[in-house]
Amino acid sequence: EVQLLESGGGLVQPGGSLRLSCVASGFTFSDFAMSWVRQAPGKGLEWVSAISGRGTYTFYADSVKGRFTISRDNSKNTLYLQMHSLTAEDTAVYYCAKQSGFSSFSSNDYWGQGSLITVSS
Amino acid sequence: DIVMTQSPDSLAVSLGERATINCRSSQSVLYSSNSKNYLAWYQQRLGQPPKLLIYGASTRESGVPDRFSGSGSGTDFTLTISSLQPEDVAVYYCQQYDDAPFTFGGGTKVEMK
Repeated sequence: EVQLLESGGGLVQPGGSLRLSCVASGFTFSDFAMSWVRQAPGKGLEWVSAISGRGTYTFYADSVKGRFTISRDNSKNTLYLQMHSLTAEDTAVYYCAKQSGFSSFSSNDYWGQGSLITVSS
Repeated sequence: DIVMTQSPDSLAVSLGERATINCRSSQSVLYSSNSKNYLAWYQQRLGQPPKLLIYGASTRESGVPDRFSGSGSGTDFTLTISSLQPEDVAVYYCQQYDDAPFTFGGGTKVEMK
């Protein structure tokens, strides 16, 4: 059974940094691209970032480019999202999602339960 | 960036009736090399993460009831629920994965009339 467990969320001050983690199980982690999708309170889904199976290729939304870094450790079956210069607009539930292929150009077939990040003073 | 536009924003459908959701992309998401549309549909029930329903515009994900179907190609797509059930009350999103950033539509809320 595929499981994705996010951690690292919480309350952070504007301008602060935070790192999200997502531990995956139930599949061969290195064979699949992974992504982060967020959802602000009461709003729709916003794609944030994706990374290919070996981490060779990364992609970012314009809204986070230069501030967020996606990475993965295939030896630990773990996906990361390092976030800097956080603003109130980054307040959201952040979902870790497995993609259906090795390439990032694939759909998201499994999702974690999400981790809430609140940016506030 | 490819802009995904869904319509309507919301709709109310009676039990057992058909629900139709539209999604339009600002440019084609048909990948010419393999003739596949890089378009997915997701269902998000209240308080839950999204769930993949359809990929490749028309291929149902394993375990998804056959009352859900996807159609369309290029820039215009449709998700149809042929006979609405109580558990189908949710918000539905389309997403293109043809070109980064892999953008979502704004969502369509489906309610029971």
